[in-house]
Amino acid sequence: SAVISQKPSRDICQRGTSLTIQCQVDSQVTMMFWYRQQPGQSLTLIATANQGSEATYESGFVIDKFPISRPNLTFSTLTVSNLSPEDSSIYLCSAGSGSRTDTQYFGPGTRLTVL
Amino acid sequence: GENVEQHPSTLSVQEGDSAVIKCTYSDSASNYFPWYKQELGKRPQLIIDIRSNVGEKKDQRIAVTLNKTAKHFSLHITETQPEDSAVYFCAASAVSGGYNKLIFGAGTRLAVHP
Repeated sequence: SAVISQKPSRDICQRGTSLTIQCQVDSQVTMMFWYRQQPGQSLTLIATANQGSEATYESGFVIDKFPISRPNLTFSTLTVSNLSPEDSSIYLCSAGSGSRTDTQYFGPGTRLTVL
Repeated sequence: GENVEQHPSTLSVQEGDSAVIKCTYSDSASNYFPWYKQELGKRPQLIIDIRSNVGEKKDQRIAVTLNKTAKHFSLHITETQPEDSAVYFCAASAVSGGYNKLIFGAGTRLAVHP
C-alpha cells in the first residue's frame, strides 16, 4: 500500500487568509483525491487531481475556493482560499494504488481551524 | 448520483460478541466496496474490501458479504475486542470520467465494552 504524508498536520488561520496543504506519496500514482471531513461526519470528496490536467471538482466545490495542483505523479497541493470559520475541518488526501484509483489509502489529515 | 446508506449509526456490543454493519448503494454499476476503520484522531484505514465478482471475503475476525441483486453489503466482526472500537465507513465505487471514485456512507460508531 502507498505511504502518504501531509503537511501541515494542523494549523490555525485568520479569516480571509489561505492555507495550502501538501500531500506526498511514496510511489507514483495516477490519481490523488482530496476530501473534507467535518467533525463527527463522513468523508466528502472535494476533487480529484490527475497529473497533467485540471482537477475535477465535485458538486458544491469550486476551483476558486479550492485550487489544486498536481505537478507530478507523487505530489499534490490543495489550497483553501478566503478562509471563513465554516472551513474549519479536517482535510485528507488519498491516493490509489498505482493505476488503480478505487483502492485508496489516506494521508494523516490536516486539521484546520479558522478564527 | 450515487448514494450509500449505512446502518446503524452507533453500535454498542460486549467484548466477544459479534458486530454487523450494513450498507446499501444506489448505482448498479458500482463494482468495488471497501471498508475503512477510523480511530479517534487518526486517518481512515482500509481494513477489507470486496469486488463485485465475489460474494464473501474473510480476513481473520472480519468478513464482508455482498449481495449485488439487492445492492447491499455488510461488515461482520466476530469475537470483538476493545481495540475494535472506532468509526467504520463503508464506500462504493462510482465511475467518473474514466476512473473510479469512492462514495462513503455516513459511518458507524462501534463501541466494544470489556
